[in-house]
Amino acid sequence: DAKTTQPNSMESNEEEPVHLPCNHSTISGTDYIHWYRQLPSQGPEYVIHGLTSNVNNRMASLAIAEDRKSSTLILHRATLRDAAVYYCILRGTGGFKTIFGAGTRLFVKA
Amino acid sequence: GAGVSQSPSNKVTEKGKDVELRCDPISGHTALYWYRQSLGQGLEFLIYFQGNSAPDKSGLPSDRFSAERTGGSVSTLTIQRTQQEDSAVYLCASSLDWGTSAYNEQFFGPGTRLTVL
Repeated sequence: DAKTTQPNSMESNEEEPVHLPCNHSTISGTDYIHWYRQLPSQGPEYVIHGLTSNVNNRMASLAIAEDRKSSTLILHRATLRDAAVYYCILRGTGGFKTIFGAGTRLFVKA
Repeated sequence: GAGVSQSPSNKVTEKGKDVELRCDPISGHTALYWYRQSLGQGLEFLIYFQGNSAPDKSGLPSDRFSAERTGGSVSTLTIQRTQQEDSAVYLCASSLDWGTSAYNEQFFGPGTRLTVL
């Protein structure tokens, strides 16, 4: 299974943008890059996903490198409610077994 | 619409007892996943079901763990002869994935917190 690598933790100030990186150097051509986040005491929730082009939705933006070996989740204005663990995973023709790594724990300071 | 539901939300049991955890996926979702999350850890894949195909059980940690999905909908995860190391939050997710490829987002339930005394 293709794996992803993320920093263990990051810190941000409230109202500032946050860039969460993810490396996936063994990504296959048809794998989608998905991001989920897990708020304290809750199940993970979907944030965004993309294949090749950058993507935007109401929650975040996803910037995908041209070679697709890395991506960045962008929270445009961090709020205290964005403090969570963010997971970057790959989904596609590798099958249904989904590997969640340790993710990045985002701390947001007021 | 209704999301993924799981029951019970909390379960406390004694070592050696059997437990059953239930997951009701979103109606129409063909794929169903079980994960385990120990305190402070990431998600550990356990098993998935996809339509009428044989489930992928490769993540089950021991033969004490089993799961079934009846009628392509509700799923039950059974842990026999529970041990203290089984204590964790058990999460269920469903998605619209079909065929042999998984592209769509997973919708997670709130989880069942299992405590084995």
